[in-house]
Amino acid sequence: AQSVTQPDIHITVSEGASLELRCNYSYGATPYLFWYVQSPGQGLQLLLKYFSGDTLVQGIKGFEAEFKRSQSSFNLRKPSVHWSDAAEYFCAALSGGSYIPTFGRGTSLIVHP
Amino acid sequence: DAGVTQSPTHLIKTRGQQVTLRCSPKSGHDTVSWYQQALGQGPQFIFQYYEEEERQRGNFPDRFSGHQFPNYSSELNVNALLLGDSALYLCASSLGVGGGGNEQFFGPGTRLTVL
Repeated sequence: AQSVTQPDIHITVSEGASLELRCNYSYGATPYLFWYVQSPGQGLQLLLKYFSGDTLVQGIKGFEAEFKRSQSSFNLRKPSVHWSDAAEYFCAALSGGSYIPTFGRGTSLIVHP
Repeated sequence: DAGVTQSPTHLIKTRGQQVTLRCSPKSGHDTVSWYQQALGQGPQFIFQYYEEEERQRGNFPDRFSGHQFPNYSSELNVNALLLGDSALYLCASSLGVGGGGNEQFFGPGTRLTVL
């Protein structure tokens, strides 16, 4: 079955520190891959997406993600975290012929001053 | 430019009741998708509407139904509510059906509590 796994339920970092959020997928073929952010009381906002080509994808708010086929991973990174980055982050995947995305359970990012 | 709007913001119902949630898509969008997000979980796809028809459906029972109006707005109806239906219901709009190529914009959601 197709699945998306975010192994970390919570991640705590200090402001200014680097960040990496993990995402692994299980699909028959390489799916489209996405990262979303959800702030309290808000809907999901798309940070970045990967369809094909360059495996390092740049997104909004200074985020980037790297697709690694050999590891079935699509990890999200940011070199220096800001307090406003505290939120819930969701990885999602969509197979090429489908309209139905699969989301991971999310990782809650806590930022200490 | 108004984004995706949903109403109501919060709703409390009792088991067995019926509920209707509403969504207005982002200006220029013609496709609406609905998701259920249980506490501590990622969103789960319920169904997608395009041209006033249900185009795709996730693994949800027939108690979940929807409608899309000519102005592209949409309703989600849930009958015979169960305690397990308590969740945040998200609406997302996009231009055209299709997978990853059509970015979805999400509304803030409706928090449904079933007692």
